[in-house]
Amino acid sequence: QVQLVQSGAEVKKPGSSVKVSCKASGGTFSSYAISWVRQAPGQGLEWMGGIIPIFGTANYAQKFQGRVTITADESTSTAYMELSSLRSEDTAVYYCARGKILCTNGVCYEGGYFDLWGRGTLVTVSS
Amino acid sequence: EIVLTQSPDFQSVTPKEKVTITCRASQSIGSSLHWYQQKPDQSPKLLIKYASQSISGVPSRFSGSGSGTDFTLTINSLEAEDAAAYYCHQSSSLPLTFGGGTKVEIK
Repeated sequence: QVQLVQSGAEVKKPGSSVKVSCKASGGTFSSYAISWVRQAPGQGLEWMGGIIPIFGTANYAQKFQGRVTITADESTSTAYMELSSLRSEDTAVYYCARGKILCTNGVCYEGGYFDLWGRGTLVTVSS
Repeated sequence: EIVLTQSPDFQSVTPKEKVTITCRASQSIGSSLHWYQQKPDQSPKLLIKYASQSISGVPSRFSGSGSGTDFTLTINSLEAEDAAAYYCHQSSSLPLTFGGGTKVEIK
């Protein structure tokens, strides 16, 4: 049974970067997309972006453009999310989630429902 | 960006009552609307996909309906274990977006 195993909690200084990993244990994610969703304390869910590992192409929410980089290593079935220029408002739990690959008119993107989630990685930004 | 507006934000309900949560999209999204349940300190869990399709292992008291811009999640005969936050999510177009969430408390 496939699980998404995320890296451990991080404490970072403002202005630094964090890189969180998400490994598909017990299977691969070749035919899926991987998205990153964050949740600030007491708040709702926010999609940051996603990647289609077999294509290596990523899409990002405009809010995070320029600060977030999502990559994937098919050989290890691991996806990564790096967030730079951290500020206190980035303190949150970061989840990876498995979604579908949707293609329209020859353009493919991450979509569909999220049927598998990682347990989350708490990133705390504090001086 | 497609904005999803959920209501209510909070609902306090007695066991066995029926719960209805609505999600309104800022533009038509067909049936590309999914529902999740999130209990405290847990990851979200998929409840309903594509507006009304059931998920294996999810109790039958959870159901979804709607299309276009208006969607509903219904919990028939609420049980104590259903205390959680519920979120809608659209996959019609990027960026993917979530509703603000509805917290259901058991009286």
